Amino acid sequence: DAKTTQPPSMDCAEGRAANLPCNHSTISGNEYVYWYRQIHSQGPQYIIHGLKNNETNEMASLIITEDRKSSTLILPHATLRDTAVYYCIVTDQTGANNLFFGTGTRLTVIP
Amino acid sequence: DAGVTQSPTHLIKTRGQQVTLRCSPKSGHDTVSWYQQALGQGPQFIFQYYEEEERQRGNFPDRFSGHQFPNYSSELNVNALLLGDSALYLCASSSISLWDRKNEAFFGQGTRLTVV
Repeated sequence: DAKTTQPPSMDCAEGRAANLPCNHSTISGNEYVYWYRQIHSQGPQYIIHGLKNNETNEMASLIITEDRKSSTLILPHATLRDTAVYYCIVTDQTGANNLFFGTGTRLTVIP
Repeated sequence: DAGVTQSPTHLIKTRGQQVTLRCSPKSGHDTVSWYQQALGQGPQFIFQYYEEEERQRGNFPDRFSGHQFPNYSSELNVNALLLGDSALYLCASSSISLWDRKNEAFFGQGTRLTVV
């Protein structure tokens, strides 16, 4: 059973922020929210993860709602190379290399 | 650092045959997981190996088996191949000991298996 719900596709203009939503209403207290992306014909790439607090790294920001039932991945300045399928995954630490991917959101960055 | 390497990159097999896919984890990683990705779908977890033992398994039949070697590399074996086994097979590595500090899995580029 899918633990997360994501829109199947989104477009974003190059240079603008891309905001990718994810619903995970059944998340447990010990479960993390992970984001991976998969560029065509490549293996998935880790982006960011969080438990409760908002997180930021060199690639993106992760905003988790206070009730933890949803989150948003933000790519602050999308480039054409960010065109990919983005997966939101909920897992506890023991499942960190046992990831349920779902179908993700296909983000297309438009010139 | 070579990252996660998989071989071969492409493979064509006939129904009923057996296939072995190989994975070398990222340096310093001790855990290897295998995933199957059908066209247009997200990766599906097959199983995970740690300390040369299968630790977790997804919903795959016994035709799918694996092995982890003392150097942490791993093999995925699929027996009695079916047309439906055609997919991209991905290997991911991580480190149990580093998990509390660096919680991410690194993926290889995959092996594209075609069963005809």
